[in-house]
Amino acid sequence: DIQMTQSPSSLSASVGDSVTITCRASQGISNSLAWYQQIPGKAPKLLLFAASRLDSGVPSRFSGSGSGTDYTLTISSLQPEDFATYHCQQYYRVPSTFGQGTRLDIK
Amino acid sequence: QVHLVQSGAEVKKPGASVKVSCETSGYMFTAYAIHWVRQAPGQRLEWMGWINGANGNTKYSQKFQDRVTITRDTSASTAYMELRSLRSEDTALYYCARLDGSGFYAHWGQGTLVTVSS
Repeated sequence: DIQMTQSPSSLSASVGDSVTITCRASQGISNSLAWYQQIPGKAPKLLLFAASRLDSGVPSRFSGSGSGTDYTLTISSLQPEDFATYHCQQYYRVPSTFGQGTRLDIK
Repeated sequence: QVHLVQSGAEVKKPGASVKVSCETSGYMFTAYAIHWVRQAPGQRLEWMGWINGANGNTKYSQKFQDRVTITRDTSASTAYMELRSLRSEDTALYYCARLDGSGFYAHWGQGTLVTVSS
């Protein structure tokens, strides 16, 4: 199975800050990467797919980039509703696998 | 509007089985696959398996291969996930999700908490 490693596991930031979360795959995944946002007690919400494509309705302050094994999610100008846990998912190979999550807290 | 609505929370004893349903609406059930993903406390999301909405073909994670069965009822636009021989480590939130594109999930059920405890 492809292992997905996110970093950091947690971070603190303030409203208005910009943050970047990294996801590294154990082998190349050809941009077959999605990012999700999860609020406690809720299902994950798709933010981006194909590494950099925003899902419908997702604010443009969310952006993704990367290639090969290394990918990033950047949130610019953090809003109060952005404080949540973020997960990456590779869907290049079955079984699809997820990162361990990055918890974003308010500083 | 696409909706996936799951059955309610369950409490089971070790060794028992649980069957979770996922009722869909707002789209043609047979046009999409339904996947099951679980999240144990403090753990990462974990893919369990999927069912083809059109022909009922299934594929399971090797980890759950011997204990899970995913089925569907096209007349009810509903998918089911049964997990057998439950143990305490199976305590988790179980989600169904519709496969979109080539492997990501734009639509999820609300989750079903399964608690395994003696």
